[in-house]
Order: sequence, then structure tokens, then C-alpha cells
Amino acid sequence: AQSVTQLGSHVSVSEGALVLLRCNYSSSVPPYLFWYVQYPNQGLQLLLKYTSAATLVKGINGFEAEFKKSETSFHLTKPSAHMSDAAEYFCAVSGVGNFNKFYFGSGTKLNVKP
Amino acid sequence: DGGITQSPKYLFRKEGQNVTLSCEQNLNHDAMYWYRQDPGQGLRLIYYSQIVNDFQKGDIAEGYSVSREKKESFPLTVTSAQKNPTAFYLCASSTFPGDEQYFGPGTRLTVT
Repeated sequence: AQSVTQLGSHVSVSEGALVLLRCNYSSSVPPYLFWYVQYPNQGLQLLLKYTSAATLVKGINGFEAEFKKSETSFHLTKPSAHMSDAAEYFCAVSGVGNFNKFYFGSGTKLNVKP
Repeated sequence: DGGITQSPKYLFRKEGQNVTLSCEQNLNHDAMYWYRQDPGQGLRLIYYSQIVNDFQKGDIAEGYSVSREKKESFPLTVTSAQKNPTAFYLCASSTFPGDEQYFGPGTRLTVT
């Protein structure tokens, strides 16, 4: 079975600082990997996805993530945080087997301080 | 514009009543999903459907039922058997199982 671990349920950064949200997965085969963002009382919006092409994936709103197979990680970064980045972020993995089911991490709430 | 609609945004019901949450998509996606979200617990899969007239139980299907009579529609019924129905419910769809999921805006259900 696959699983996703997001380290840190809450992360706080200052405006303009680097954003780093961590995601590790367990999978026996190369998976598809995703990052989603959720603003309060809204649905999830896809930030970016990895599907076995380039290991560095660029997404919307200046976010990017790097797939590191040796570390089974897919951390999300942004060089300079904006106040509007304050939201909850979810990492997700899918892959072969089990009807290609999606597995979501438990989420990381990002707080951006002025 | 293509997308997923969920209605209503907020729903209030008395304990013991069944309630149906609507989910419609015009993305021509085969697969559809229902998730429940509670504070601090991430997303939990209730039911999913890979194709019309077929659906499978997810991780927390007890007390819920679904139907998939049309490709565009995947309504969720929260029955009186669901012990803690108050939650935020999210519907999603994808071209095929395992591909990126597109989410609706959610329905917040409060049962008192």
C-alpha cells in the first residue's frame, strides 16, 4: 500500500522568505505525485504534478517541486512567500494497482507573517 | 467554462434525516470521487466511481450511499445511519483513476 507523509502540520514563514513544505511517499513503483492548495472553505486546486518526466516540476503561483527517487521525496518550494500563499497544502500520490487510487497527505497549513 | 459544481454550499439538517449532496461535472471525466474533510484529518475517501453505473466503497463508506446513472452526475446521500455527518464534503473527478483530480467548491453539512 502507498502512503504519504507531510512533515509539519503547521509551517510559519515571514513574507519574502523561502517556503519549504515537505512530502515523503512510500511506493514500490514510480508514482504520480501532486501538490494541491486549499483556501478556507474552498475546494482543492492543483499546484503541480509529476508524471515521470522532468524531476523538477514548475507549477502555478511560483511554486515548484523536485522529485527525488532516492529519498522518496517531493518537497514543495517557493523562493519568496507572499501573504496570499497562506493556505493549506496537500501532497498526494497515485500509482499502479488498487485502481490507481489517490493517497493524500494530512496537509500542512502555511502561515505567512508580515 | 468546464468544471465541477456542488450544491448547496451550506446545508443544515436535523438528526435522523437523510440528505443528498449534488455533484455535477462537465469535464467529460469518467472517474468521480467523494471525500469527507474534518479539521486536522485531511481528506478521507467515501466512494468513487470509475464509470457510469459502477461505484466502489472508499475508506469510510458506512452511512453513505451514491449513484452514478449519468456520466456528469455523482450524488451523495448522507443517511441517518452516519453517526457524525457534520463535515465538509468535497466532490472530485478525473479523466481516469490515478490522474489529477479536479475538485468542486465543497458543501459544508451541519447536522444538529
